[in-house]
Amino acid sequence: DGGITQSPKYLFRKEGQNVTLSCEQNLNHDAMYWYRQDPGQGLRLIYYSQIVNDFQKGDIAEGYSVSREKKESFPLTVTSAQKNPTAFYLCASSTQQGASDTQYFGPGTRLTVL
Amino acid sequence: KQEVTQIPAALSVPEGENLVLNCSFTDSAIYNLQWFRQDPGKGLTSLLLIQSSQREQTSGRLNASLDKSSGRSTLYIAASQPGDSATYLCAVNNNDMRFGAGTRLTVKP
Repeated sequence: DGGITQSPKYLFRKEGQNVTLSCEQNLNHDAMYWYRQDPGQGLRLIYYSQIVNDFQKGDIAEGYSVSREKKESFPLTVTSAQKNPTAFYLCASSTQQGASDTQYFGPGTRLTVL
Repeated sequence: KQEVTQIPAALSVPEGENLVLNCSFTDSAIYNLQWFRQDPGKGLTSLLLIQSSQREQTSGRLNASLDKSSGRSTLYIAASQPGDSATYLCAVNNNDMRFGAGTRLTVKP
């Protein structure tokens, strides 16, 4: 089956910890994205990557870091510098960034700070 | 910066009703506009994608229209069913995707 997978589905973080959210796609897409969703708000872009070994900050990159060592994978690390990390995190991919086709979304990871 | 607004924030209708969800955006220089469905605690599923050169798209009971000049799109759902209950998100693409906050739809049996 082609698609995007995210793991884990639920994640709990203690104060001061870094945690990494996984995102994998087998759609052969060049572009990948990370969004954050808070209750009653639209999705906000954290980081995106147009190609392997390249990524750009989105609107709310502070306290987050990413890597793109493989085309299929775009992990997101939530660092201790992110003061309010509790949210629903969504990963997406598309053939190209800014292209006219759709973005495909993973099932999401819910992160809770204890 | 593109701003996307969806009205209403929540909507409750009896089964069988036709309904309209609204989306407005501030910058008309867009590549396309998409409507997504999101079930609670899940990812987004694309429903309809309208390119900037198109006026509408249809899929089954769903019809989405686009008026770039006025910065508006509507999603029309015909003969609503309880299974249509979900949050519907509008997203505008002008090199970056900008999302509205969504309309939470409840269709009562």
